[in-house]
Amino acid sequence: GENVEQHPSTLSVQEGDSAVIKCTYSDSASNYFPWYKQELGKRPQLIIDIRSNVGEKKDQRIAVTLNKTAKHFSLHITETQPEDSAVYFCAAQYTGGFKTIFGAGTRLFVKA
Amino acid sequence: SQTIHQWPATLVQPVGSPLSLECTVEGTSNPNLYWYRQAAGRGLQLLFYSVGIGQISSEVPQNLSASRPQDRQFILSSKKLLLSDSGFYLCAWSRDTEAFFGQGTRLTVV
Repeated sequence: GENVEQHPSTLSVQEGDSAVIKCTYSDSASNYFPWYKQELGKRPQLIIDIRSNVGEKKDQRIAVTLNKTAKHFSLHITETQPEDSAVYFCAAQYTGGFKTIFGAGTRLFVKA
Repeated sequence: SQTIHQWPATLVQPVGSPLSLECTVEGTSNPNLYWYRQAAGRGLQLLFYSVGIGQISSEVPQNLSASRPQDRQFILSSKKLLLSDSGFYLCAWSRDTEAFFGQGTRLTVV
């Protein structure tokens, strides 16, 4: 079945450093890859997404890259701030279907 | 604008008791609806999804069931809760891509 692997499970960085979270997916039909941020006790919210016809997308301090051949995609956060501390989920979806498969999540700690 | 309501926010139930969690969506019609479970320190596990009234797809065999009696209402149920049913349950809706989550229900089975 469909599967999304996410690494690392926990990531601790110093404020101002960069953070990288990596995911791989199994379903080659997947063509939409969102990233969600879940702050403590709150609901996950979309922060950035990328479609399979694009290799990279950037929005201020966050960027996503996609290697469709290798079925890898990554989230890059630059100049991290304490408010970036949260759990981040990658996901893969085939937009012709209905299921979004999530990775296990990465708990990011940004130390001031 | 669309909103999603999920209740209750927290619930403590004894083993063997029934469960009913409700989710409603406002401001859109015929949404895709989802129930996810998030166990402590783990990811989002898709439990059920629905693409229309009365249409329920189950992703994992378990002690839970789901129903969609109305277009914008999605209910998660159990006849007899197990300790392993404890977790954070999230309802979500989507049109095509982005998923919008409810506030979640923290269920503790004791």
